[in-house]
Amino acid sequence: GAVVSQHPSWVICKSGTSVKIECRSLDFQATTMFWYRQFPKQSLMLMATSNEGSKATYEQGVEKDKFLINHASLTLSTLTVTSAHPEDSSFYICSATPRDSDYQPQHFGDGTRLSIL
Amino acid sequence: GQNIDQPTEMTATEGAIVQINCTYQTSGFNGLFWYQQHAGEAPTFLSYNVLDGLEEKGRFSSFLSRSKGYSYLLLKELQMKDSASYLCAGMDSNYQLIWGAGTKLIIKP
Repeated sequence: GAVVSQHPSWVICKSGTSVKIECRSLDFQATTMFWYRQFPKQSLMLMATSNEGSKATYEQGVEKDKFLINHASLTLSTLTVTSAHPEDSSFYICSATPRDSDYQPQHFGDGTRLSIL
Repeated sequence: GQNIDQPTEMTATEGAIVQINCTYQTSGFNGLFWYQQHAGEAPTFLSYNVLDGLEEKGRFSSFLSRSKGYSYLLLKELQMKDSASYLCAGMDSNYQLIWGAGTKLIIKP
């Protein structure tokens, strides 16, 4: 149980393109989903916390107008990287926590590797 | 402030035992998590401790001492596939995870 699906797994696109990444909890409902970014050989960096039905909470230094998050349902959150540039190239990973308990581990999607040319 | 400390890198031999330590400082405490992350992949959940003591799960065990703000992950009978980064994360009073930078474990034959 507790499967999180993330799509797409790999994106290569031109600079200036907007890219949407989907994160779905397949067998549980997730009130909260998390979006992380990880550069090569670096640790996970939390970008934002996505709450169903409300605005996302962004970490300091993360541009909310550039990284648009929508948590439209209890099983789906999306991250849109708007007007992506080469410096946005990274490994983006979402995670979700089942809604029935705060003491649940975060379950991660497989990640999306974004390469901006 | 909130902080998680763990060694950057460790090396061990196949078949041996290794202990990865983690110290934490969080605003409130709702448990300590360990995750495994292979290169190029997303993290996978290994263990959760909220009470003092040792939790054993197959070849992996995790220990917590709340009074010392300390945890360790113990890996026994090491296999080459255990080569990965091991992430320690503390959950604060808001149920948010505070992540360590990860310990890269290198297993040698």
